[in-house]
Formats: sequence, C-alpha cells, structure tokens
Amino acid sequence: GAGVSQTPSNKVTEKGKYVELRCDPISGHTALYWYRQSLGQGPEFLIYFQGTGAADDSGLPNDRFFAVRPEGSVSTLKIQRTERGDSAVYLCASSPTSGGGQFFGPGTRLTVL
Amino acid sequence: GQNIDQPTEMTATEGAIVQINCTYQTSGFNGLFWYQQHAGEAPTFLSYNVLDGLEEKGRFSSFLSRSKGYSYLLLKELQMKDSASYLCAVAITGGFKTIFGAGTRLFVKA
Repeated sequence: GAGVSQTPSNKVTEKGKYVELRCDPISGHTALYWYRQSLGQGPEFLIYFQGTGAADDSGLPNDRFFAVRPEGSVSTLKIQRTERGDSAVYLCASSPTSGGGQFFGPGTRLTVL
Repeated sequence: GQNIDQPTEMTATEGAIVQINCTYQTSGFNGLFWYQQHAGEAPTFLSYNVLDGLEEKGRFSSFLSRSKGYSYLLLKELQMKDSASYLCAVAITGGFKTIFGAGTRLFVKA
C-alpha cells in the first residue's frame, strides 16, 4: 500500500519568504507528527496531531511555524519569514493510533538562501 | 530536560554481532523505539519496548531496563546493508511526543 508522501521533495527559498510543506499520511492513520532533522542529528519533534487537532505543539520553535490538519488527513506545515537557520529536512510521520512505531515520509529538504 | 545518549559511531564485521547502547533521562516515559536510517533516507521503525526485557524480531533484538534508563539494540549476522544510522527514541508523553537521540552510525566491513 501507499506510504507517507511529502511534497515538495526539495524547496529552495530566499530569506524572509513564506513556505508550505505538505504531508499525506497513510490512509486511516489518526496520528501525524512533524519533525525536522539537521545533518548528523536525530529528528527534532515539532508538533503532533491526533485527528484534526494539534495535540502537542510544544516543539514548534517560535510563532513563525504553524501546522494544520483540517480534515484529519493531509497536513501542511507553514513557515513564515523564513530564516537561514530553518534549513533542514522536514519529516512527517504517521501511526495508526497514538502509539507504536511511526511511519516516516521521505522528507522535504528546505534550503533558505 | 530530555537527554538521550548513544555512541556516535561503531564499526563491526560482516557476519558478527553488534550491540548499540542507549541511555536516557527524560521527564516522562511511554516507551522506547529504535529506528534505522540509511543515508539520505527516512527513518524506518525497528522495535518498540515499553516493558522491561528483551524483544526479538528476526536478526534484531531490543532490550529495555526502565529502572536503569537503558536500552540496547542487538544486531546478529551482520550484513553490509546494515550499515546505517540507528536512532534511539523515547516517547515522553501519553500522546507519544517522541524525543530522538543523535543516532549511532554503524559501519559494517567485509
């Protein structure tokens, strides 16, 4: 079956611009997670959805970051006024319930020039 | 704060056994995960331990001691394709907010 998909696979933008990153979880998975990963580091938790609501957004670094999941399936991570330090691979993962192993998408590599 | 420690790199020989250790100090505990991540790819789930003891799954086994804040991943009959980073991660809340270690890069040599 289809796994987690993320678009775009690569995004290059200029400092100060707005970007949206999309995640399509595995069908039927109620839990959805966003992480970002820098080279040589493990994924850093950003936000977790259970259904449509953000159950835990404590990992969002500041108010430039926002994520939505309006219908409990597809999620969009939005970054305003991008900074060079936002450059990383943004990973999305889903799981069938709030527990067990998470299934990761291939990630979006964001580069802020 | 949250702290997960694992060795940065390990090298082992094809066909051998390797043990990758992980120690954690976290504000909560709702299970420990191991993931495998090949260079340039996304992590893939290997194992989940929530109770003390050993979980075996084919060539991979994972052990947990909650009282010691300690886990290990055991890989048997190493193959070249096992060369990857191995990530130790702890779910710190009932909602499975997950904190990852920096990962252990395993090099398998012939």
